[in-house]
Amino acid sequence: DQQVKQNSPSLSVQEGRISILNCDYTNSMFDYFLWYKKYPAEGPTFLISISSIKDKNEDGRFTVFLNKSAKHLSLHIVPSQPGDSAVYFCAATLYGQNFVFGPGTRLSVLP
Amino acid sequence: ETGVTQSPTHLIKTRGQQVTLRCSSQSGHNTVSWYQQALGQGPQFIFQYYREEENGRGNFPPRFSGLQFPNYSSELNVNALELDDSALYLCASSRPQGLAGEQYFGPGTRLTVT
Repeated sequence: DQQVKQNSPSLSVQEGRISILNCDYTNSMFDYFLWYKKYPAEGPTFLISISSIKDKNEDGRFTVFLNKSAKHLSLHIVPSQPGDSAVYFCAATLYGQNFVFGPGTRLSVLP
Repeated sequence: ETGVTQSPTHLIKTRGQQVTLRCSSQSGHNTVSWYQQALGQGPQFIFQYYREEENGRGNFPPRFSGLQFPNYSSELNVNALELDDSALYLCASSRPQGLAGEQYFGPGTRLTVT
């Protein structure tokens, strides 16, 4: 039973356009959500996070939106760049323990 | 600031053997978590160590065990290896407990069990 789901295995976007990556979760107790980016042969790299008491967090080109009633979060990347091409993981945690990761979405940004 | 390092990078073992994987945490981080990432899946939480004690465990059998040392480096031990243990094993360190958020991952150890 997957507690964190990323239903799109892959996404292709044109350079300069917006990339929207989606994530759904089932456990309403999660209090913190994170996005990680992973390049081949490297470990995941932290990108941006959001507390369950907020509905939006922005960091440069990256914005995460949280809809608690829908148990849904999304990552927006604007504008998308070819260097953003990677696998993106959504993760959720309770009290900073037992981070639960989704299966990932492979983003390809086309020049 | 030194990042998270893991050794070895690759390992091949035979079913039934035992393996030890090592991780050095990032400077200033006293919490270490271990994850198993199977092909095409997200990382799965194995356990977390905080100040040398286990501080949370995922759905993994007891043959997965760990240690954290006074310098906050860590080991993951897997006994009686099974074919399904073949995966990328990731170590992540984070700042003191209570600051839920960023974990810094190492590059992983690729374990193949034949």
